Amino acid sequence: EADIYQTPRYLVIGTGKKITLECSQTMGHDKMYWYQQDPGMELHLIHYSYGVNSTEKGDLSSESTVSRIRTEHFPLTLESARPSHTSQYLCASSDARDINNEQFFGPGTRLTVL
Amino acid sequence: DAKTTQPPSMDCAEGRAANLPCNHSTISGNEYVYWYRQIHSQGPQYIIHGLKNNETNEMASLIITEDRKSSTLILPHATLRDTAVYYCIVRVVASGSARQLTFGSGTQLTVLP
Repeated sequence: EADIYQTPRYLVIGTGKKITLECSQTMGHDKMYWYQQDPGMELHLIHYSYGVNSTEKGDLSSESTVSRIRTEHFPLTLESARPSHTSQYLCASSDARDINNEQFFGPGTRLTVL
Repeated sequence: DAKTTQPPSMDCAEGRAANLPCNHSTISGNEYVYWYRQIHSQGPQYIIHGLKNNETNEMASLIITEDRKSSTLILPHATLRDTAVYYCIVRVVASGSARQLTFGSGTQLTVLP
């Protein structure tokens, strides 16, 4: 059973608000990822991290930012939310030592910006 | 990473085997075939992966053709809980690098009662 958590599960906010989506894993994984998925559409990688103090942008451009100050924690921040940010955000992690590089996903945060 | 082609949707009767095909004709020798599934409103879940040999685990079997240009995921006795979008992903696996997953559109499998 994967131990990766995301909060909140659902968030409805107004335009212009600053929000932080939390992601934590208790498996000691070095690698963490953020994906964005619109309803019924494909998942797209927006951020990833090799380890502490390492962050990279993914395939899909995003106005969000991430930080990796601790191994277990990979929060995603939107400084000023807009309706175009409405989507589901999925966090994942994997073990750098695992040759199979299996990714474990959290339950996701469904964000609605009004 | 090589691209994959999957049918957009499939139906399967409960209790019967579900066979989900995937084409990956441009796969290279060091690329693995991975399968994930995503049940509605949840995060994707790893199912199985393989390089060239057929693989089986408690969830499914993976059959890879000899030329490795296509594969089939088999759920031997589909249940209603197997209704999900199934993603076939082909990628290089290398330790020490952040090999993110590139998801396509997948196959929506609907298991019918």
